[in-house]
Amino acid sequence: DVKVTQSSRYLVKRTGEKVFLECVQDMDHENMFWYRQDPGLGLRLIYFSYDVKMKEKGDIPEGYSVSREKKERFSLILESASTNQTSMYLCASRSTLGGGFFGSGTQLSVL
Amino acid sequence: QQQVKQSPQSLIVQKGGISIINCAYENTAFDYFPWYQQFPGKGPALLIAIRPDVSEKKEGRFTISFNKSAKQFSLHIMDSQPGDSATYFCAASMNRDDKIIFGKGTRLHILP
Repeated sequence: DVKVTQSSRYLVKRTGEKVFLECVQDMDHENMFWYRQDPGLGLRLIYFSYDVKMKEKGDIPEGYSVSREKKERFSLILESASTNQTSMYLCASRSTLGGGFFGSGTQLSVL
Repeated sequence: QQQVKQSPQSLIVQKGGISIINCAYENTAFDYFPWYQQFPGKGPALLIAIRPDVSEKKEGRFTISFNKSAKQFSLHIMDSQPGDSATYFCAASMNRDDKIIFGKGTRLHILP
């Protein structure tokens, strides 16, 4: 069974904290993605990576960074969390030309 | 040009009826069109996908219709069941960069 695992289901952080969201896939996929999902706005792409140590900005990269040191792991970093980053964060992976597989999401609340 | 426009935002269908969700795109470089189903508290799950070289793809009760000239595609759910109640997202991607661009979603409710 294919699996994309996100490290936390719920997370509560304070404004200004550094936040790490971890994602691991077991399908040996080349491509990994981070999206945020907000009501009425759908899924918006933050960053994606098509290879180890490679990253590309998505539509809303401001305030975020990413790290991909190993093929199976893709981390999203909020350098200084702000209240407008309260959201559901979804990680996905896909092989080239294939469908995307998503994790269950991390609901992040920044107070 | 990168957008995928999805309608309606919400849809209510009687059990046994046909649910239809529509999407439109502008970028003719898109070459892969998946649909995702999302239940509350879960991540989206790939439901069915189509490439522009075919006009229709059917998997069980789910059918994608694709109109390349109109740059539109739609999801049809036949014999809709209460268990189909979920949010549905259409999406598109290009071979060139593999990003998946999503529509804003349709919240589907099937009345028992």
